[in-house]
Amino acid sequence: GAVVSQHPSWVICKSGTSVKIECRSLDFQATTMFWYRQFPKQSLMLMATSNEGSKATYEQGVEKDKFLINHASLTLSTLTVTSAHPEDSSFYICSASGAVAKNIQYFGAGTRLSVL
Amino acid sequence: LAKTTQPISMDSYEGQEVNITCSHNNIATNDYITWYQQFPSQGPRFIIQGYKTKVTNEVASLFIPADRKSSTLSLPRVSLSDTAVYYCLVGVTGGYQKVTFGTGTKLQVIP
Repeated sequence: GAVVSQHPSWVICKSGTSVKIECRSLDFQATTMFWYRQFPKQSLMLMATSNEGSKATYEQGVEKDKFLINHASLTLSTLTVTSAHPEDSSFYICSASGAVAKNIQYFGAGTRLSVL
Repeated sequence: LAKTTQPISMDSYEGQEVNITCSHNNIATNDYITWYQQFPSQGPRFIIQGYKTKVTNEVASLFIPADRKSSTLSLPRVSLSDTAVYYCLVGVTGGYQKVTFGTGTKLQVIP
């Protein structure tokens, strides 16, 4: 149980284009979803927290107009990187938390974004 | 937010027990202690969670002293496949709460 699916696992795009990453909780209702960014050999950095039906709460320094987060249902959250640039290249990871195990985050496999 | 401190790295031989300690001096009353394992280019995987005393599951044990200012993850008889980064997280999730990842401990298992 507690499976989180993240797609795509790897994406290459041209500079200036937008990329959407999906995060789905497959077997539980995710009342809260988190989006992280991770650079090589570094820890995970929280970008934003989203609660179903509410606007996402962004961490300081994260541009909400660049990283659009939508949590439209209890099983789906999306992260759209708008007008991507090479410096946005990174490993993006989502996690989900629900009432079943309220204080545990279950993570997706991550998405490797490369912007050319 | 409770800040966590872990050793940056540890080495262990195969078959040995490994103990990784995490310090969290400003843990709040409602905070849980959760450990995750992360392999390169993968999302973290939940290992174990506890609030106080000792918790054991099929892969690890978690020891939490009475003051809860630290915790120790114990991995019995490690194998090469346990080489990974281990993160200790302290806090609660849900609502507008959040937890922050620390630096993690890079465990290298040696044959």
